[in-house]
Amino acid sequence: EDQVTQSPEALRLQEGESSSLNCSYTVSGLRGLFWYRQDPGKGPEFLFTLYSAGEEKEKERLKATLTKKESFLHITAPKPEDSATYLCAVQPNYGQNFVFGPGTRLSVLP
Amino acid sequence: SQTIHQWPATLVQPVGSPLSLECTVEGTSNPNLYWYRQAAGRGLQLLFYSVGIGQISSEVPQNLSASRPQDRQFILSSKKLLLSDSGFYLCAWSGVAGVTYNEQFFGPGTRLTVL
Repeated sequence: EDQVTQSPEALRLQEGESSSLNCSYTVSGLRGLFWYRQDPGKGPEFLFTLYSAGEEKEKERLKATLTKKESFLHITAPKPEDSATYLCAVQPNYGQNFVFGPGTRLSVLP
Repeated sequence: SQTIHQWPATLVQPVGSPLSLECTVEGTSNPNLYWYRQAAGRGLQLLFYSVGIGQISSEVPQNLSASRPQDRQFILSSKKLLLSDSGFYLCAWSGVAGVTYNEQFFGPGTRLTVL
């Protein structure tokens, strides 16, 4: 069964304190791995797509990396406005539907 | 550019009442459309997806149904709501699998409370 787990469940950082969020997945063939940001009461906002092991994508203070079994979302020198829940999803090769992880709730304190 | 709309934004309904949530997409044609439910503190659960007008696939047995009467319109319905139907309902769209981008793009969501 395809499965996505994320850790930690919640993370509190001081402003400027860099860290990483983990997304581990089990899927029978990976078409793509997707990262989203979700603010409270809003729909998820697309951040990155990664397709193959070794691939990296960057956007402002965020960098996503991918291995054969997991992905990391690195946050460098975070600011309070980076506070949100970060969702990871995988798309198996055999279909178009996503399998979402439960998310990591990030709080960045000033 | 593409835009996705959902309404209403919030809804409070009594148990046993009907439900109709609407989602429309602008700026693209023949999108794949999805309905998700997000319970508090939990991940997104796929409810229905559609690859074309009148084509609906259900992921989980439940009290809900979906319809796609037009290319860019997706409707989530229920004849009689249950308490367990409460949650945050999200509509999403994506391009044609394998032809255009695979990313799913989400609407603003509808917060449904069943009392």
